Amino acid sequence: EPEVTQTPSHQVTQMGQEVILRCVPISNHLYFYWYRQILGQKVEFLVSFYNNEISEKSEIFDDQFSVERPDGSNFTLKIRSTKLEDSAMYFCASSSLMGLPTYEQYFGPGTRLTVT
Amino acid sequence: RKEVEQDPGPFNVPEGATVAFNCTYSNSASQSFFWYRQDCRKEPKLLMSVYSSGNEDGRFTAQLNRASQYISLLIRDSKLSDSATYLCVVNIQAGTNAGKSTFGDGTTLTVKP
Repeated sequence: EPEVTQTPSHQVTQMGQEVILRCVPISNHLYFYWYRQILGQKVEFLVSFYNNEISEKSEIFDDQFSVERPDGSNFTLKIRSTKLEDSAMYFCASSSLMGLPTYEQYFGPGTRLTVT
Repeated sequence: RKEVEQDPGPFNVPEGATVAFNCTYSNSASQSFFWYRQDCRKEPKLLMSVYSSGNEDGRFTAQLNRASQYISLLIRDSKLSDSATYLCVVNIQAGTNAGKSTFGDGTTLTVKP
């Protein structure tokens, strides 16, 4: 069964450093998403992406964040200058319009980002 | 008011019980509705989409009432393996763009032997 993969599974970085989180969505999917989940809190939408551009973004997704699809398979989230409060689990998801407007999203296993 | 509001829980039920989760959403422009389950420290996994006509998958039944902006999930004959946090998710998309999904806080279910 196809699945979304994410690397690394755990990233430790120092405050102020740049990090890039990587995702490989399911191969025939067209829509891509990033979410974060701070420990003990709800899943929060960050950004959605389609046709090589951002579709929607939340207020969390400020100028420190960017997304890119550098090639036909990867989808990345970059945080330019990490803060302590960026420590969270980051989930990538992808979905495909499958003849119904369901937009079912399938999630990767997540990258746990720890900022020290 | 929260965009997506779920029963606060937790729910602790014996095996074999029937349990119902409720969810309301505030944005009437919402178009797609889902239930996910999330096990501790794992990714959300899609349980089922929710349609206005209602849909059933084995022991799970989901209902949507657009007029009341209300979504429900019923689990019958609950199993120990159903223990998880259940997430109500609402999606809004404009045209063919990827849209935005809003998650509820989740309702935790523990099924006991």
